[in-house]
Amino acid sequence: ILNVEQSPQSLHVQEGDSTNFTCSFPSSNFYALHWYRWETAKSPEALFVMTLNGDEKKKGRISATLNTKEGYSYLYIKGSQPEDSATYLCAFISVGGNQFYFGTGTSLTVIP
Amino acid sequence: EAGVAQSPRYKIIEKRQSVAFWCNPISGHATLYWYQQILGQGPKLLIQFQNNGVVDDSQLPKDRFSAERLKGVDSTLKIQPAKLEDSAVYLCASSLAYGTGFYEQYFGPGTRLTVT
Repeated sequence: ILNVEQSPQSLHVQEGDSTNFTCSFPSSNFYALHWYRWETAKSPEALFVMTLNGDEKKKGRISATLNTKEGYSYLYIKGSQPEDSATYLCAFISVGGNQFYFGTGTSLTVIP
Repeated sequence: EAGVAQSPRYKIIEKRQSVAFWCNPISGHATLYWYQQILGQGPKLLIQFQNNGVVDDSQLPKDRFSAERLKGVDSTLKIQPAKLEDSAVYLCASSLAYGTGFYEQYFGPGTRLTVT
């Protein structure tokens, strides 16, 4: 079982603040990294699928970067809004591409 | 397109009882996953199907958990008998293809199981 760590575990920010959190994963046998957002009482939904070292993806105010050599990915939220409140999960997929190893998530609360 | 459907959404049972969860994936998705998410932890894969065949059940506690995917579409996950430590959210997900991490997973809303 691979170790995927996310930090911080939880985060409270004021509306309008920008924030970021980290996903750390094994730097060997990298295949892909996924980010998911999981709002309370809803289904987790995919944000990004990242496959190449140096990848940078953006969706609206949310963006993510990937460093496979050192084994980390950052998720950034610019100008946080209350609707961004959710748990953000990353999932590491090793070579072979079969199994997703999820981190424990970062719980974000945006205070109006 | 319709999303991944799961039922029931909530279930409370006593220990040693049995319970079953149902999942209907997105039409055309070959791969189906069942995850267990215990409070404070990330989702843990229990079993993965490719069409109606099992491709990974290494983390499924086979003495009490079973799962099937008849005709490569719907799936059921059963726990018999349940233990207190089975209290968790059970997530079903599907994806378009097998063996590639390039395809995102589509999740259902989950079933929150409480064992008392």
